[in-house]
Amino acid sequence: AQTVTQSQPEMSVQEAETVTLSCTYDTSESDYYLFWYKQPPSRQMILVIRQEAYKQQNATENRFSVNFQKAAKSFSLKISDSQLGDAAMYFCASPTDKLIFGTGTRLQVFP
Amino acid sequence: GEEVAQTPKHLVRGEGQKAKLYCAPIKGHSYVFWYQQVLKNEFKFLISFQNENVFDETGMPKERFSAKCLPNSPCSLEIQATKLEDSAVYFCASSQFRVDTEAFFGQGTRLTVV
Repeated sequence: AQTVTQSQPEMSVQEAETVTLSCTYDTSESDYYLFWYKQPPSRQMILVIRQEAYKQQNATENRFSVNFQKAAKSFSLKISDSQLGDAAMYFCASPTDKLIFGTGTRLQVFP
Repeated sequence: GEEVAQTPKHLVRGEGQKAKLYCAPIKGHSYVFWYQQVLKNEFKFLISFQNENVFDETGMPKERFSAKCLPNSPCSLEIQATKLEDSAVYFCASSQFRVDTEAFFGQGTRLTVV
């Protein structure tokens, strides 16, 4: 069965600094995608970044990038130059026929 | 429409009452997914549809939960005889192909059972 594990219930970062959120997963698929979603207090689920497993290159989206280690089944999210608006719950997710979510990491950003 | 529309935003029901939630997926999206997010923020998959057909219902508590996606109507999730533990935010998501492209989420319906 597909599993996704986020071992950091909470993280905090100072504004303008860099923070890394961890995610590990398990899958029997050879080709798959991995996602990071952001859920601010408004509850809206926002796709932050997507990684295709067959691609060697780590995905980047502006200040967001991933460190994808396929052999280790690790998919961490790096947020650079953190902003107050980055404060939210972050969910790692792996899709098969449905999205399997991790338990989330609450990110606090301090001025 | 260009976004997943969920109604109502908030729903309060007395224990034992029925609750019905609605979801209009993005036009042209073939797949619809329902998730339950409880207070601990964990997402529980309930059911998915491919057009009007049930695709995967492994997460549904079948004795009280039912769901439909009929042509030309919003999809619905119905809970008969609600219990306190049904209190949660229910999210609907839709995707054009399968969920490994991108799933777009609605804003959720917060169900409170009192």
